[in-house]
Amino acid sequence: AQKITQTQPGMFVQEKEAVTLDCTYDTSDPSYGLFWYKQPSSGEMIFLIYQGSYDQQNATEGRYSLNFQKARKSANLVISASQLGDSAMYFCAMREPPSGGSYIPTFGRGTSLIVHP
Amino acid sequence: DVKVTQSSRYLVKRTGEKVFLECVQDMDHENMFWYRQDPGLGLRLIYFSYDVKMKEKGDIPEGYSVSREKKERFSLILESASTNQTSMYLCASSHLAGIWETQYFGPGTRLLVL
Repeated sequence: AQKITQTQPGMFVQEKEAVTLDCTYDTSDPSYGLFWYKQPSSGEMIFLIYQGSYDQQNATEGRYSLNFQKARKSANLVISASQLGDSAMYFCAMREPPSGGSYIPTFGRGTSLIVHP
Repeated sequence: DVKVTQSSRYLVKRTGEKVFLECVQDMDHENMFWYRQDPGLGLRLIYFSYDVKMKEKGDIPEGYSVSREKKERFSLILESASTNQTSMYLCASSHLAGIWETQYFGPGTRLLVL
C-alpha cells in the first residue's frame, strides 16, 4: 500500500487564483514529518514547507500553507495567488522514525500544476 | 545556502557502458541519497548512505552500486548500462537524525542509454 497518495495527476489554475494540491498519508506512528517539494521543468527539487505531526498550527511559508488534518491523515498544500512561475510538479513526502536504521522519506507520485495567464 | 551538485545535467551512454554519476554536497550532511524519477512513478530510492563507506539498499538497487569514500561525495555506478535505466537521477542529502530534517536535492542528471 502506498504511504503517500497524491490523487491528482494534473491540476490547472488561473493566475492569481488559489489552488489546493491533495496529499493523504498512511502511518501508525504518532511521530512523523510531512514535506512538500516543488520541481520545475529544470529538474531540481525545491523544499517548500514542513509540518510536524505534533505541530498545533498549520505551517505557512509565504504564499504556501499546509492544511493539516491529522484525523483524516491529509496534508494538502494550498498555494494562494498563483503565479505563472508556480507551474511545476509538486511532491508530498513523509518521514517517520526508522524501525531499524535511517530516516528515509517516502514520496508521493506528484501532481503537475499548470498556471494559466 | 545548501549546495548539492551533480556531475552532469545530461548524459548519453551506450548499452553495456559503465556509468558514473557523482554527487557532492557542501553542508556536512551525514545522509546522502540516490533516487530515480520516472513519469508517473514519482521518486524511487536506489541507495542511501548514512556515513562514509556505509550504504544501504533502497527500493530498486538492482543494476546499480554506490560508493562513498568521503563524506561530501556519493557516487552512483551503473555497472553495465541498459536502456531501461534511461531516467532522471536525483541526488539528495540531509542531516542524519530527525523526522524534521529536510532533504536538499541536486539539479538532477537526465541519462539516456542507447
